Amino acid sequence: DAGVTQSPTHLIKTRGQHVTLRCSPISGHKSVSWYQQVLGQGPQFIFQYYEKEERGRGNFPDRFSARQFPNYSSELNVNALLLGDSALYLCASSTVSGGDNEQFFGPGTRLTVL
Amino acid sequence: GQQVMQIPQYQHVQEGEDFTTYCNSSTTLSNIQWYKQRPGGHPVFLIQLVKSGEVKKQKRLTFQFGEAKKNSSLHITATQTTDVGTYFCGSWFSGAGSYQLTFGKGTKLSVIP
Repeated sequence: DAGVTQSPTHLIKTRGQHVTLRCSPISGHKSVSWYQQVLGQGPQFIFQYYEKEERGRGNFPDRFSARQFPNYSSELNVNALLLGDSALYLCASSTVSGGDNEQFFGPGTRLTVL
Repeated sequence: GQQVMQIPQYQHVQEGEDFTTYCNSSTTLSNIQWYKQRPGGHPVFLIQLVKSGEVKKQKRLTFQFGEAKKNSSLHITATQTTDVGTYFCGSWFSGAGSYQLTFGKGTKLSVIP
């Protein structure tokens, strides 16, 4: 079975632009979470979605938004990009929502903001 | 906000030596998860601990959850070059129907052959 897939792999944007990142969960997984990982740091939680509803939100500005589609895939949108948004964006899927569930991470999207 | 502190930040060991990373919180944790991220890769789930004083083993890896559920450790016996990577602990925090997985900053392990 395929794992979590993310697209694109790499992305270069300039300040002020908008970006959309995409994630397809493992088949049968209904929950998708998004994380931002800056070099040398642990992943920082951005959002968790389950059955198209937001179930968790981390401490990120409103420039960050996400949604989940009926097929459980998800998009992360970031508006008005800042240099500090440069990071690896990881998507993770799990069978259920909530705490104490194993996260299956995708390979990530490397975003560079110039 | 909820924080999970992890030490050390870096650890260099000779192949065959043991390695331990520690995870601490000022609040009681409902659970602790450990992940490994190889250089250039993504985090991969290793294990979850939920019970006070719980100890789990995976071959050369031993995971412990403190009695007070405020700390955890990962110990690797006789490290190998395949153990290279960054080890993260994380814990799920919940409130008002919302959930968040908070990670420590990780311990980067280098193994010298």
